[in-house]
Amino acid sequence: SQELEQSPQSLIVQEGKNLTINCTSSKTLYGLYWYKQKYGEGLIFLMMLQKGGEEKSHEKITAKLDEKKQQSSLHITASQPSHAGIYLCGAVVSTSGTYKYIFGTGTRLKVLA
Amino acid sequence: NAGVTQTPKFRILKIGQSMTLQCAQDMNHNYMYWYRQDPGMGLKLIYYSVGAGITDKGEVPNGYNVSRSTTEDFPLRLELAAPSQTSVYFCASRPSGRAGDTQYFGPGTRLTVL
Repeated sequence: SQELEQSPQSLIVQEGKNLTINCTSSKTLYGLYWYKQKYGEGLIFLMMLQKGGEEKSHEKITAKLDEKKQQSSLHITASQPSHAGIYLCGAVVSTSGTYKYIFGTGTRLKVLA
Repeated sequence: NAGVTQTPKFRILKIGQSMTLQCAQDMNHNYMYWYRQDPGMGLKLIYYSVGAGITDKGEVPNGYNVSRSTTEDFPLRLELAAPSQTSVYFCASRPSGRAGDTQYFGPGTRLTVL
């Protein structure tokens, strides 16, 4: 089973609509990272959250980490075609006393003009 | 800074051939990683290194080898290419292993084994 579950797997929205992508774990997340990937390109770092209840925004993208530090959401307001791509969450979790970096399976976003 | 660079961008190999995927970073990061990304499967860790001369296996190391002779470079070697190794390979680096350190990724190498 996937340690970091992302939902939905894919999303198609009309330009101008809002959308939310979720990232959930059964483990405490010591660092939660959101990345964006365009086809054929690497991962572009968007935001990092560390504290429970933390919220960060960049332009029209807002990410939150819940108080328990087990779930994060990425919200895009008034989506644009430039927002299209694959959104990946990554997180640092503790396993047997050591930290490791894990990733969700990604959410493929398409924005229709 | 160039960040994390990877070469080549694309490569087609025949079964049984070998090749080295190059990765370099100019940020003086201690930690470096190799991942493979298969469709719908997220990223799987192949190998990682916490500093020059130190490497360790990740989740899916079979069929690969790495070396880390300098802080900057972390090449990934495929000795006997197999179709199962068809994937997109990403190299990444971060300053240290602290939870708050961001991981930076290269642009990826798209490998096809026929």
